[in-house]
Amino acid sequence: DAGVIQSPRHEVTEMGQEVTLRCKPISGHDYLFWYRQTMMRGLELLIYFNNNVPIDDSGMPEDRFSAKMPNASFSTLKIQPSEPRDSAVYFCASSRKNIQYFGAGTRLSVL
Amino acid sequence: QKEVEQNSGPLSVPEGAIASLNCTYSDRGSQSFFWYRQYSGKSPELIMSIYSNGDKEDGRFTAQLNKASQYVSLLIRDSQPSDSATYLCAERRGRGAQKLVFGQGTRLTINP
Repeated sequence: DAGVIQSPRHEVTEMGQEVTLRCKPISGHDYLFWYRQTMMRGLELLIYFNNNVPIDDSGMPEDRFSAKMPNASFSTLKIQPSEPRDSAVYFCASSRKNIQYFGAGTRLSVL
Repeated sequence: QKEVEQNSGPLSVPEGAIASLNCTYSDRGSQSFFWYRQYSGKSPELIMSIYSNGDKEDGRFTAQLNKASQYVSLLIRDSQPSDSATYLCAERRGRGAQKLVFGQGTRLTINP
């Protein structure tokens, strides 16, 4: 299996622009998670889905962030408008039977 | 108070020695615990999971759980330079829950 696939690997954008991060989970996994990692706050869960349905979005920082999972093999995390404080590494993870597997991450820099 | 506490380190251990990483948690309802390893610039990867009190061994790694003291540890025997990484402790709460709460991580350096 190819593992969890995220794109792009790096994104540099200017403040105010829309950013879309993409994730393809491992086939057969029924949970998908979006995390953000910074030096200050560590690894934080933003939102997770079960069978494409959002279950817990309490970690989404504000309305500028939104996530969708239109089908079992694809999810997006969108930031609109982006701000410099959104700069971080964003990880997608998927799981089946409790073990989460992480993608390589997207390093986002908002200038 | 952060829900999962780890000493951020850095922790330096000579090659061949035992590295001991510790984690405390605040929620007595937590059911399961996980240790992830994260190399610099890479994603977290699972090393061990532990659900019951006591020790669980896998190769050079031993996870220890003490629910009464709300304490989880990871021992790495015969430490190798390739073990140098940040180790993240995570807890999962409640039966059926999927949400993991991670500690800040402990940076471990194995000195040749």
